Amino acid sequence: AQSVTQLGSHVSVSEGALVLLRCNYSSSVPPYLFWYVQYPNQGLQLLLKYTTGATLVKGINGFEAEFKKSETSFHLTKPSAHMSDAAEYFCTMLNAGGTSYGKLTFGQGTILTVHP
Amino acid sequence: NAGVTQTPKFQVLKTGQSMTLQCAQDMNHNSMYWYRQDPGMGLRLIYYSASEGTTDKGEVPNGYNVSRLNKREFSLRLESAAPSQTSVYFCASKWVYEQYFGPGTRLTVT
Repeated sequence: AQSVTQLGSHVSVSEGALVLLRCNYSSSVPPYLFWYVQYPNQGLQLLLKYTTGATLVKGINGFEAEFKKSETSFHLTKPSAHMSDAAEYFCTMLNAGGTSYGKLTFGQGTILTVHP
Repeated sequence: NAGVTQTPKFQVLKTGQSMTLQCAQDMNHNSMYWYRQDPGMGLRLIYYSASEGTTDKGEVPNGYNVSRLNKREFSLRLESAAPSQTSVYFCASKWVYEQYFGPGTRLTVT
């Protein structure tokens, strides 16, 4: 079965510090992976995506993620946190085969808090 | 271009009442989805529609029905609301790999 696991439901960093949000996946077919961000009381916005090609992908707001097949990981990073990065982040995987074709599987979410 | 819109934004129901959540998209996408979001559980798929005229169950369909009225609109109906259906509901549409989400409906069932 396909699954997405986010390590850590809450991450707290200081402004200017490195942001690292961890995501591991399980898939029997090559995965398409995404990070979405949700600001309080809003819908979800796509940060970045990996489909094929370059394994280091850059997204909006200075975020990037690296697809590592050997580690089945897709961790999200940002070199320097900003107060405006405080939000909930979801790692998701698009089911690209079988009866679940086209559907997204979500991780549990990680709430990022940024301290001044 | 409004993207994905949802109505209402907030709703309070009593147990046993019924209601329909509305969703519309103006991006001419074929696929549309309904999710519910509960704390610590991410988003879970309730129903989806791969194209106009087709609907399929997702991960948590019990207690819900859907209608794909046309290419633009995909509604979610609760026939007899239960407190376990208290949640935030998101509609989304998909183009190729990317899903576009609406702002959500916050539903409380008392």
